Amino acid sequence: GAGVSQSPSNKVTEKGKDVELRCDPISGHTALYWYRQSLGQGLEFLIYFQGNSAPDKSGLPSDRFSAERTGGSVSTLTIQRTQQEDSAVYLCASNPSGRGGTGELFFGEGSRLTVL
Amino acid sequence: GDSVTQMEGPVTLSEEAFLTINCTYTATGYPSLFWYVQYPGEGLQLLLKATKADDKGSNKGFEATYRKETTSFHLEKGSVQVSDSAVYFCALIFEGIQGAQKLVFGQGTRLTINP
Repeated sequence: GAGVSQSPSNKVTEKGKDVELRCDPISGHTALYWYRQSLGQGLEFLIYFQGNSAPDKSGLPSDRFSAERTGGSVSTLTIQRTQQEDSAVYLCASNPSGRGGTGELFFGEGSRLTVL
Repeated sequence: GDSVTQMEGPVTLSEEAFLTINCTYTATGYPSLFWYVQYPGEGLQLLLKATKADDKGSNKGFEATYRKETTSFHLEKGSVQVSDSAVYFCALIFEGIQGAQKLVFGQGTRLTINP
């Protein structure tokens, strides 16, 4: 597609439920990032993929969070047993190479998660 | 670790006013610096960047100069327009695990321009 596509755009769930957020990066971009944007805070790095592998998972806040990427393309961020503090906008971004590049990330519009 | 601090918002100005949004950073070495912008209802997009000391990034009338001596990258515009209303993020890039490039963002500054 022309840009980074994320779904759902909005998700309301009950505490304790699992949620999956999907990201479809720009075609051909090998690097994919997940960030979290909470109210009043900046963008918090979660995880980085180069191809299908995730060399940097250092930002995942707990073991309830996991992510995978298949075919070097679509990525899914899964949050198990959601808590109210998980409420945020989850942003996905891609980059042509991730290494030695310009550093410009191309962002999707985000998935807004609300945990009741 | 590497970090970015930018002025707290919200900032409200009248059209044609001069804008400054302060940004300072803490980093080992000399990272590339960026300003990203998030317009209402849109995703973040790169506004401008500078890759080394004394470089000036510019775009859409905005400018920022990489100041090594003050570890700053302040965003400026001489005459703002209503269409500049958005949230602005300062960011730096560094190499993380296995050479992966990571962007570290400031907390964002919401700018509102009144006609």
